[in-house]
Amino acid sequence: EVQLVESGGGLVKPGGSLRLSCAASGFTFSSYSMNWVRQAPGKGLEWVSCISSSRSYVDYADSVKGRFTISRDNAKNSLYLQMNSLRVEDTAVYYCARFPLPAATREDWFDPWGQGTLVTVSS
Amino acid sequence: QSVLTQPPSVSGAPGQRVTISCTGSRSNIGAGYDVHWYQQLPGTAPKVLIYGNINRPSGVPDRFSGSKSGTSASLAITGLQAEDEADYYCQSYDSSLSGWVFGGGTKLTVL
Repeated sequence: EVQLVESGGGLVKPGGSLRLSCAASGFTFSSYSMNWVRQAPGKGLEWVSCISSSRSYVDYADSVKGRFTISRDNAKNSLYLQMNSLRVEDTAVYYCARFPLPAATREDWFDPWGQGTLVTVSS
Repeated sequence: QSVLTQPPSVSGAPGQRVTISCTGSRSNIGAGYDVHWYQQLPGTAPKVLIYGNINRPSGVPDRFSGSKSGTSASLAITGLQAEDEADYYCQSYDSSLSGWVFGGGTKLTVL
């Protein structure tokens, strides 16, 4: 069974840092591009970042560019999101999500998703 | 404000048919990028309902169908059931933003 399990969320003050992790199992992690998608409380979904299987391609939403860094460790079947200079508006549930096929394209969708981890930025 | 526009809410009685629209622009849906739909039940992660405009993953009932035309797409749900009460999101790619984009979400209420 394909499974994605996020961890690392919590309460952090504005300007602080946090590192999220996503543990993958049930598939060949090193073959798939991965993403982070977030959802502010009571709000819609927002794509945050993407990383290719070989780490050769990474991309970010404008809202987090320069502050967040996506990375992965294929040997550990793990995806990460380093979040620096956190703002109140970064408060959200952060989901780890895979592209459905090994050869990712712009046409792709997100499947499956993890259960999410809550990040709260507040003083 | 979301790049893709959805109605905030729709409702219908059990057994009825409802549709949810998703309106984009020439840099996303109108540029030919596929539209995908997700269902998010309360307190859970989103789950793909329709991918590639019209395709249903295995396990998704054929009561759910998708369509796309021009700069818009639609999700239709027939034979409404109480278990369909959820939030629904459309998603595509936007070439101007160089990223994947979502609609603002539509809350479906089964009366």
